[in-house]
Amino acid sequence: GAVVSQHPSWVICKSGTSVKIECRSLDFQATTMFWYRQFPKQSLMLMATSNEGSKATYEQGVEKDKFLINHASLTLSTLTVTSAHPEDSSFYICSARDGSVLAGGGYEQYFGPGTRLTVT
Amino acid sequence: AQTVTQSQPEMSVQEAETVTLSCTYDTSESDYYLFWYKQPPSRQMILVIRQEAYKQQNATENRFSVNFQKAAKSFSLKISDSQLGDAAMYFCAYRRGYGGATNKLIFGTGTLLAVQP
Repeated sequence: GAVVSQHPSWVICKSGTSVKIECRSLDFQATTMFWYRQFPKQSLMLMATSNEGSKATYEQGVEKDKFLINHASLTLSTLTVTSAHPEDSSFYICSARDGSVLAGGGYEQYFGPGTRLTVT
Repeated sequence: AQTVTQSQPEMSVQEAETVTLSCTYDTSESDYYLFWYKQPPSRQMILVIRQEAYKQQNATENRFSVNFQKAAKSFSLKISDSQLGDAAMYFCAYRRGYGGATNKLIFGTGTLLAVQP
């Protein structure tokens, strides 16, 4: 099946610094990528949807200037957490849609393994 | 707006037994997909099963099957012959079926399944 990778798998950064998380589709072209945030023992919260070559669409309540998303190619999307603070500590998951179409018109969506961010 | 509800925060099952996880959803649309995802301790999201709303037949994948009741907006997951590796958080999810590439997955709050040896 299709594989989505994330790098790094975990990162610790100091408060006030920025950190970049990469999401790559390894064996397919991803026209659309999704970024989620997950707190311990909670569900996934969609932060934003990005399409290759265009600006990301952010969910209500997500600060677009704090969480910068760049979908520069069909295989790479990046999430940059700017001026990170301890409350930004969380598990960040990306997901990518491939170009195939399922019966009924839908599509497959594949998830990366996640990145654990700790801000000290 | 669409919503997904999982009313069982935690469930437990004995190894080799059968367990059913509940999910209800609310939508006014007729074209949609429903999913069950498994998130083990590694936190990698794994697709367990998918159901297209236009299909009356319930989806099955080996030991996993669903009971899709469209009129009741219910979508339960049955795990037969439970194995220790089935222990995980299970999320029910909804996605609109039409309208383009950016349709979003809407997740329930999850059910934490423990499997007792």
